[in-house]
Amino acid sequence: AQSVTQLGSHVSVSEGALVLLRCNYSSSVPPYLFWYVQYPNQGLQLLLKYTSAATLVKGINGFEAEFKKSETSFHLTKPSAHMSDAAEYFCAVSEGAGSYQLTFGKGTKLSVIP
Amino acid sequence: NAGVTQTPKFQVLKTGQSMTLQCAQDMNHNSMYWYRQDPGMGLRLIYYSASEGTTDKGEVPNGYNVSRLNKREFSLRLESAAPSQTSVYFCASSPLAGVADTQYFGPGTRLTVL
Repeated sequence: AQSVTQLGSHVSVSEGALVLLRCNYSSSVPPYLFWYVQYPNQGLQLLLKYTSAATLVKGINGFEAEFKKSETSFHLTKPSAHMSDAAEYFCAVSEGAGSYQLTFGKGTKLSVIP
Repeated sequence: NAGVTQTPKFQVLKTGQSMTLQCAQDMNHNSMYWYRQDPGMGLRLIYYSASEGTTDKGEVPNGYNVSRLNKREFSLRLESAAPSQTSVYFCASSPLAGVADTQYFGPGTRLTVL
């Protein structure tokens, strides 16, 4: 079974600074990988996903993530943080195309300091 | 297009009471999911349904029953609520059945069991 580790339950960055949210997974099978964002009192919405095509995936709101098989990582980045990026971010992993189940990380809450 | 809707938004129950959480989607999706979200735990799958009349247990099914009434609706029932079931419950849907796919989430139901 998959496990997902998100390093840092809280991350603070200054407005305009680089955002880096880390995600590592455990898998011997090439997985499908997702990043979701949750704004306060709302459901989750998809930021981006990796499904075994290009290893650098671009998502909404200027976010991107790079799949690194050798490091079993799928870190989320954004060059310049905006106040509206303050939210909780979840990394999720499936066993592959043939499995509907996603294993979610515990989440990282991003604060943006003006 | 309302997407995924959930009712009620908030509910307070006493231990031992029963209730049904309702979920509906208008995107003609095949798969539907019920998750619970607890602080610091990420999302955990309670039940999954690939089509009308079919359901699979997820990671934390004990104390819950589900019903996929038709393609649009997927309900979650607590027969005898316990304080450990205090949580935020999310319903989600995805276009394909039985495979890893983008999931679309509802706004959630915040349940407190006293």
